Amino acid sequence: KQEVTQIPAALSVPEGENLVLNCSFTDSAIYNLQWFRQDPGKGLTSLLLIQSSQREQTSGRLNASLDKSSGRSTLYIAASQPGDSATYLCAVEDQAGTALIFGKGTTLSVSS
Amino acid sequence: GAGVSQSPSNKVTEKGKDVELRCDPISGHTALYWYRQSLGQGLEFLIYFQGNSAPDKSGLPSDRFSAERTGGSVSTLTIQRTQQEDSAVYLCASSLYGTSNTGELFFGEGSRLTVL
Repeated sequence: KQEVTQIPAALSVPEGENLVLNCSFTDSAIYNLQWFRQDPGKGLTSLLLIQSSQREQTSGRLNASLDKSSGRSTLYIAASQPGDSATYLCAVEDQAGTALIFGKGTTLSVSS
Repeated sequence: GAGVSQSPSNKVTEKGKDVELRCDPISGHTALYWYRQSLGQGLEFLIYFQGNSAPDKSGLPSDRFSAERTGGSVSTLTIQRTQQEDSAVYLCASSLYGTSNTGELFFGEGSRLTVL
């Protein structure tokens, strides 16, 4: 059964720092991996989608990498801002099932 | 509509009552998911609809939970005889593709259910 783990569970950094969020998954037979952002009391917003054949995706200050063979993904946030404060979730769509399987998220706090 | 729409945004009910939660996906999206997010927990998959195929109900926690998707568009999640442990945010998501590798998922704002 696919399991998705995110480390750390929470992270606090001062504004301007570069940071890395980690995601690991147990079964490498995936179609894709997505990173989402969730603000308090809100739904999820898709940030980046990486297909299994891809190694990374970039959007603005965000860069996500995927190493399928080792079951790892990282989300790199450059020059963090207070507006980046949110919970970041990763999810994999694996080939064994039909639903995205989510990690529990990393709650990021960026102080000004 | 422009995004996934869910209603009601908040629902408070008494234990034992039935509730219905509605999801209106993005027009043209063939795949629709329901997830549940409990306080401090991750997202728990409930049910998945793909086009006209039989839904994947493998995530429904009990037979008190059911869902329909009419005309390949709007979906309703029904919880019968609600219990306090049903209190959670129920999130709906849709995706353009109706096969494996469904691509980018778009979520609604969720329906927050509180069972007293």
